[in-house]
Amino acid sequence: GQQLNQSPQSMFIQEGEDVSMNCTSSSIFNTWLWYKQDPGEGPVLLIALYKAGELTSNGRLTAQFGITRKDSFLNISASIPSDVGIYFCAGLRRGSGNTGKLIFGQGTTLQVKP
Amino acid sequence: DAGVIQSPRHEVTEMGQEVTLRCKPISGHNSLFWYRQTMMRGLELLIYFNNNVPIDDSGMPEDRFSAKMPNASFSTLKIQPSEPRDSAVYFCASNSYNEQFFGPGTRLTVL
Repeated sequence: GQQLNQSPQSMFIQEGEDVSMNCTSSSIFNTWLWYKQDPGEGPVLLIALYKAGELTSNGRLTAQFGITRKDSFLNISASIPSDVGIYFCAGLRRGSGNTGKLIFGQGTTLQVKP
Repeated sequence: DAGVIQSPRHEVTEMGQEVTLRCKPISGHNSLFWYRQTMMRGLELLIYFNNNVPIDDSGMPEDRFSAKMPNASFSTLKIQPSEPRDSAVYFCASNSYNEQFFGPGTRLTVL
């Protein structure tokens, strides 16, 4: 089963607002990935993080690899209607070797009111 | 690159029928993953392959489910016989190092 706690479960915000979501675990991770899933589509990789403390941006998206290696954060600045979707965190746990086997969060459903 | 390709995109079948889902991973990726996604259970890993060899099939729900990867560019997930509770979206994904890329999914409905 899933071992990542992702929060919040859902968000309903006004266009232009900033958004923050996070994932936490009791385990140490070597890699953190953030995905967005649009209705009827597969998850699309947004940002990949590989080092503790790493802060990476992709346009209006910024993600951070927590210092403890047990958490990660995703921020979206100045939200727009097309940001609507489900955001998933995923991590590659320490000790997974080169399996690539990811652990997924439960997802955060984002709705943006124009 | 075309990305991960899955077919069919939609499948509607009757209980008891055999269902075969197909996946073509991104060229050069050596790991392939099959997931199932439902509202109730979220995204579940069913099985994954490394260099065409099944590594972990502990997520396969029952013996009715089987997966093969005869070569580096093709994999199948088969359900025989299918049941209504198998209705879900099935995703295939492939890896480049630690970055995993998903296909568009197959929406399966078993009546």
